[in-house]
Amino acid sequence: GDSVTQMEGPVTLSEEAFLTINCTYTATGYPSLFWYVQYPGEGLQLLLKATKADDKGSNKGFEATYRKETTSFHLEKGSVQVSDSAVYFCALSDPAGTYKYIFGTGTRLKVLA
Amino acid sequence: DVKVTQSSRYLVKRTGEKVFLECVQDMDHENMFWYRQDPGLGLRLIYFSYDVKMKEKGDIPEGYSVSREKKERFSLILESASTNQTSMYLCASRARTGKDTQYFGPGTRLTVL
Repeated sequence: GDSVTQMEGPVTLSEEAFLTINCTYTATGYPSLFWYVQYPGEGLQLLLKATKADDKGSNKGFEATYRKETTSFHLEKGSVQVSDSAVYFCALSDPAGTYKYIFGTGTRLKVLA
Repeated sequence: DVKVTQSSRYLVKRTGEKVFLECVQDMDHENMFWYRQDPGLGLRLIYFSYDVKMKEKGDIPEGYSVSREKKERFSLILESASTNQTSMYLCASRARTGKDTQYFGPGTRLTVL
């Protein structure tokens, strides 16, 4: 079945370091792909998304490119800040067009000043 | 600005009690979701509603039921709470399709003693 695999955390970085959080997926069709972020004590909020191959989603300095050939949607940011400390979830929507989202297990990021 | 609200941020209940968790969205979305979030397991879908009075079971519906009498409101019911239902519960809504973003509420942390 469909699945999303994220790198395990926690990821600890110094401020201004480069961030990559890996995400790969398995799906039979052409899913839409999402990155959500969860700050402490809050619900998830959309960070960025891409709905077709080669699309690049971007927001708040974060980027991810939908790579169908490698079935990946890796999250990157050139210079992280302490305020980026959160849990990041990769997700795909069911390509069959039904209701399901498939979420990864989340990657905790901790940025040190 | 989109908004999903949940009736409580924290709840403490006793084993065997009937528990109601309510979720309201103000975006006129057709689809609404209930997830539970547990460490190491990510988000798991409990129930989904694609229209008023319409519902479908998710991955872990056992021990839960739902109600959607109005478009903006989606309730999760624990018929007889058990300790293994201690968790974070997240409600989300989405316009209609898999390409659309899910918007999440802040979550309810439920503890069953």
